[in-house]
Amino acid sequence: AQSVTQLGSHVSVSEGALVLLRCNYSSSVPPYLFWYVQYPNQGLQLLLKYTSAATLVKGINGFEAEFKKSETSFHLTKPSAHMSDAAEYFCAVSERGNNDMRFGAGTRLTVKP
Amino acid sequence: KAGVTQTPRYLIKTRGQQVTLSCSPISGHRSVSWYQQTPGQGLQFLFEYFSETQRNKGNFPGRFSGRQFSNSRSEMNVSTLELGDSALYLCASSAGTRDYEQYFGPGTRLTVT
Repeated sequence: AQSVTQLGSHVSVSEGALVLLRCNYSSSVPPYLFWYVQYPNQGLQLLLKYTSAATLVKGINGFEAEFKKSETSFHLTKPSAHMSDAAEYFCAVSERGNNDMRFGAGTRLTVKP
Repeated sequence: KAGVTQTPRYLIKTRGQQVTLSCSPISGHRSVSWYQQTPGQGLQFLFEYFSETQRNKGNFPGRFSGRQFSNSRSEMNVSTLELGDSALYLCASSAGTRDYEQYFGPGTRLTVT
């Protein structure tokens, strides 16, 4: 069965600094990978997705992620953090693209002024 | 286009009672998935409905059930509530045509006392 591991339950960066949120996946078949963001008292918003096209995926709000099969990773990055990026971020995987997505435990991003 | 709506947003129930949660997907979307989010277990997939049929099911006891109507609206029912059922229940809709993008509602916060 597929699964994801997010390294670091909390990440703190200064405003303007690089954001790097780590995600490693496990899947017996080529995976579909996603990053979602959740703001307090809200649902999840899709940031970006990898569905076996380009390995470097660009998403909304300046985020991007690179699929690295050799490392089974799908890390999320943003060159310059903004205060509004403070939220919880979830990496998710699904096999064969069905809607049974498996989520990581989440990483809470704090942005310091 | 209106987003995914969930009602009610907050609910307090007593152990042993049952509860029904409602989800209205984005217009034109035929797939509705349900997730449970708790601090301890994170985000867990409950089930997915597509064209009124359950297409996928997670690893939850039979007390958790759902259905989908011809207009794609979905309901989730939990019978014989337990304290551990306290959670944020999220509904997500997608076109169901394997575009793999799920759009989440704001969730229903269920508290069992």
